[in-house]
Amino acid sequence: ILNVEQSPQSLHVQEGDSTNFTCSFPSSNFYALHWYRWETAKSPEALFVMTLNGDEKKKGRISATLNTKEGYSYLYIKGSQPEDSATYLCASRGGVMDSSYKLIFGSGTRLLVRP
Amino acid sequence: EAGVVQSPRYKIIEKKQPVAFWCNPISGHNTLYWYRQNLGQGPELLIRYENEEAVDDSQLPKDRFSAERLKGVDSTLKIQPAELGDSAVYLCASSYMGTDLYNEQFFGPGTRLTVL
Repeated sequence: ILNVEQSPQSLHVQEGDSTNFTCSFPSSNFYALHWYRWETAKSPEALFVMTLNGDEKKKGRISATLNTKEGYSYLYIKGSQPEDSATYLCASRGGVMDSSYKLIFGSGTRLLVRP
Repeated sequence: EAGVVQSPRYKIIEKKQPVAFWCNPISGHNTLYWYRQNLGQGPELLIRYENEEAVDDSQLPKDRFSAERLKGVDSTLKIQPAELGDSAVYLCASSYMGTDLYNEQFFGPGTRLTVL
């Protein structure tokens, strides 16, 4: 994988459903994986920074896992609420010294939670 | 603490006109980034500043785009002249390049540019 890819592109669920998205990234020279939530007309908000293989992070009803060997991360939302409606972006950072600051973004998963 | 501020939030112009976007980063953040997000894609880095110095502008289309960060605080991104393909969301982000290993980037709300 040369780019950061996210799936699905969009997702419509009912309130109360649990859902998950996938982020695939280059596993070579991996440094960190970032998840952001971007609500319409607002700033992208950082959810998680993940660095270690097997890492799991949780924030309320949202959690994420990381597999650096195979190059993927999952984001889970338990019991989706309408306020979870947003675009969820992941971004990978490579480990080469002069580019480790650089975030390479996926195209995002747009989540719509119906009441 | 105030977040990253951008203005304007929306801009509609006709092609060949100039346009400028302004960004005020989080106080104390020495690194500033400009990203462009085209429809259906993720944000892509245009330029990165460390203090006043543009340390990575390899993705900035220099024939029509220019940027400056006077005094290492606020920044302005300019397009002259704008083309139809420049329609996008322009995001500004800032971070503190210091002891934070991950240099977490904080984003502004973006400027949505429409070129007619």
